Amino acid sequence: AQSVAQPEDQVNVAEGNPLTVKCTYSVSGNPYLFWYVQYPNRGLQFLLKYITGDNLVKGSYGFEAEFNKSQTSFHLKKPSALVSDSALYFCAVRDMDNSWGKLQFGAGTQVVVTP
Amino acid sequence: NAGVTQTPKFRILKIGQSMTLQCTQDMNHNYMYWYRQDPGMGLKLIYYSVGAGITDKGEVPNGYNVSRSTTEDFPLRLELAAPSQTSVYFCASSAGLAGETQYFGPGTRLLVL
Repeated sequence: AQSVAQPEDQVNVAEGNPLTVKCTYSVSGNPYLFWYVQYPNRGLQFLLKYITGDNLVKGSYGFEAEFNKSQTSFHLKKPSALVSDSALYFCAVRDMDNSWGKLQFGAGTQVVVTP
Repeated sequence: NAGVTQTPKFRILKIGQSMTLQCTQDMNHNYMYWYRQDPGMGLKLIYYSVGAGITDKGEVPNGYNVSRSTTEDFPLRLELAAPSQTSVYFCASSAGLAGETQYFGPGTRLLVL
């Protein structure tokens, strides 16, 4: 079975400060990992993904995420947050060893960036 | 290139009514999905399709039906709407499974009263 946890319902950060959104996962094999962002009344937009290779993945809008196999984590980071980064962020995982398996989404983390 | 489009954007249904949520993608993706999003619950997979004529249940299929007669279209049918089906529904598509990215439509907000 696969699962993903986003331990923080909400993250508050001041504009210009570093932003981190946490994600941990559990799969029986190796993971495919994804981050999506959802702005109010909009669909989910793809940010970045880890398939294989370099543990540091760079994505859209200045976001990056680091795959840590020993800690089964895939935290999303941005060095300097913007007010426009305020949105709902979802982490998702699929087990590489079960390519027919569904993409499992976390419950989401609301990011609030204050001016 | 519009990506994934969904209609309607918002709908109010009375208990027992039926409706079809439309989803169309123009990326020639074989794989399409329907999710529902409830507050604090993330996204739950309702149904998915691996190609025209092939569909399968996700984790919450009860009360819904789908069909896939073309590559582009993947409508979701609600029969006998219930208040528990009040949710936001998202359609998505991807070129494959595994590490392929899923691309989402803008969503349909459904209220069942």
